[in-house]
Amino acid sequence: GDSVTQMEGPVTLSEEAFLTINCTYTATGYPSLFWYVQYPGEGLQLLLKATKADDKGSNKGFEATYRKETTSFHLEKGSVQVSDSAVYFCALRRIQGAQKLVFGQGTRLTINP
Amino acid sequence: EAEVAQSPRYKITEKSQAVAFWCDPISGHATLYWYRQILGQGPELLVQFQDESVVDDSQLPKDRFSAERLKGVDSTLKIQPAELGDSAMYLCASSLGWDQNTEAFFGQGTRLTVV
Repeated sequence: GDSVTQMEGPVTLSEEAFLTINCTYTATGYPSLFWYVQYPGEGLQLLLKATKADDKGSNKGFEATYRKETTSFHLEKGSVQVSDSAVYFCALRRIQGAQKLVFGQGTRLTINP
Repeated sequence: EAEVAQSPRYKITEKSQAVAFWCDPISGHATLYWYRQILGQGPELLVQFQDESVVDDSQLPKDRFSAERLKGVDSTLKIQPAELGDSAMYLCASSLGWDQNTEAFFGQGTRLTVV
């Protein structure tokens, strides 16, 4: 079945460091791909998405490119801030069937000043 | 700004008791989802509604869990009897439709602790 695998956390970085959170997926066909963010005590919020191969999603300085050949959707940011501390979830949503969101296990990111 | 409302935010219950969670989706959203998020894991779909109809409940433990959306608007998820392993965050989400490109909006969740 469909699945999403994220890099193990937690990840701790200093402010202004470069961030990469790896995400790979297994799915039938070409799903849409998403990154969600969960701040402490809050629900999940959509951060960015890409709906087809080679699409780049971007928002708030974060970027991710849909790579069909490597079945990946890695999240990157050039200069992180303390306010980026949160849990990040990679997810896919396939074309067929009920089109539910399938999530990875999440990566906790902590940014130190 | 419209949001998905869930209540209660926190619930502590004893095992073997019944517990219920409520969700009010964003107005006009036909698709409603209930997800369970165990600590340290990603959310997993329990049930998906399109209007008042269930379109996916393959991962819902039907011996103890039930969900309804009688008028195709708000929804209730019930657990009876609760077990220790049910301790988790229960997330409700809604979207305009089930198209793969339609954004799903999540509520703040109900954190359940079974003692």
